[in-house]
Amino acid sequence: GENVEQHPSTLSVQEGDSAVIKCTYSDSASNYFPWYKQELGKRPQLIIDIRSNVGEKKDQRIAVTLNKTAKHFSLHITETQPEDSAVYFCASINTDKLIFGTGTRLQVFP
Amino acid sequence: DAGVIQSPRHEVTEMGQEVTLRCKPISGHNSLFWYRQTMMRGLELLIYFNNNVPIDDSGMPEDRFSAKMPNASFSTLKIQPSEPRDSAVYFCASSLMTSALSYNEQFFGPGTRLTVL
Repeated sequence: GENVEQHPSTLSVQEGDSAVIKCTYSDSASNYFPWYKQELGKRPQLIIDIRSNVGEKKDQRIAVTLNKTAKHFSLHITETQPEDSAVYFCASINTDKLIFGTGTRLQVFP
Repeated sequence: DAGVIQSPRHEVTEMGQEVTLRCKPISGHNSLFWYRQTMMRGLELLIYFNNNVPIDDSGMPEDRFSAKMPNASFSTLKIQPSEPRDSAVYFCASSLMTSALSYNEQFFGPGTRLTVL
């Protein structure tokens, strides 16, 4: 079955710096890759997603890139702010269910 | 829309007791998912329904867990008997799946924090 690996598990950056989180997947048939943000004690919420027919997608300070050949996708956050501090999960669709990565705890220091 | 609604928000029970978690998906959504989240195992999919029919329950840990979706607006996850290792946050999520190849955002409920003593 599908396996999603996510790195790093923790990431600390200074406010204003960029943060990059990387994920790899195993099933070449996967074609939808969402990213969720989960603040402490709250529910996961979608922040951006990308489909396999697109290589890059951007929404203000966040962007996602997809390399289907290498089977990896990445989340890029620019000009980080303290409110970006949270746990971020990548995921991929395997048949019709999401398989989540193990999460990255991002801390942005003022 | 109020979003996905879950109840209770917190549940504390003793080992051996029956626990029932409830979920109301977003109106119009046809897919419903139950997840369990722990520090050790992360976010795990337990079971999901499409048009009220269970499609994949391979994530249900054991026979003590069961889930039902009697209609499009209600689902339950039951644990009987509960054990301390079942302590976790249980999330319900819903989405609108328009076709087999058209995946759409899953909206998560606020979760139920279960503690089994």
